[in-house]
Amino acid sequence: GAGVSQSPSNKVTEKGKDVELRCDPISGHTALYWYRQRLGQGLEFLIYFQGNSAPDKSGLPSDRFSAERTGGSVSTLTIQRTQQEDSAVYLCASSLGGITEAFFGQGTRLTVV
Amino acid sequence: DQQVKQNSPSLSVQEGRISILNCDYTNSMFDYFLWYKKYPAEGPTFLISISSIKDKNEDGRFTVFLNKSAKHLSLHIVPSQPGDSAVYFCAASYPNKLIFGTGTLLAVQP
Repeated sequence: GAGVSQSPSNKVTEKGKDVELRCDPISGHTALYWYRQRLGQGLEFLIYFQGNSAPDKSGLPSDRFSAERTGGSVSTLTIQRTQQEDSAVYLCASSLGGITEAFFGQGTRLTVV
Repeated sequence: DQQVKQNSPSLSVQEGRISILNCDYTNSMFDYFLWYKKYPAEGPTFLISISSIKDKNEDGRFTVFLNKSAKHLSLHIVPSQPGDSAVYFCAASYPNKLIFGTGTLLAVQP
């Protein structure tokens, strides 16, 4: 596609349920990032994939959060046993190289009730 | 520990005047600084950047100034246009990740 695509655009889930958020990066982009933005806060780094290297998971807030990137393309962010504080907009970005050239998707708004 | 700070949550400017958006940072290891613009329900889009070895970068109506001794950068938009109304995020680049500020909502009044 022409840009980074995220699905779903909105997700409402009950506390304690698991959710999966999907990101389709720009074709050919080797780097992929997940960020989240909670209400009134800045963008918070979660995880970074670069090619076949081990991902940088240093931003994941707890072991309930995990992410995969299959075949160097599509990525899935999984949140297990969701909590209300997980409510946020989750943003995916991809780049050819270097965070300075990253393009963001439109985000997934997650609401945990 | 907020390493990138935007202390003004909002700014209102008249069309045609200058908009100045400010950002402060704490980590002297940041090597690149960027401004992103975000419209509602859309992801941030890259606007302009500056290397830590420079003090000014200009692109059309947008100019970013970096004062390393003060750990401060600013984005100037001149002349401001109603279409510039958006949330502006300052970001600092540290290897493999961007650290973002909380954003400033700019409203340009016609």
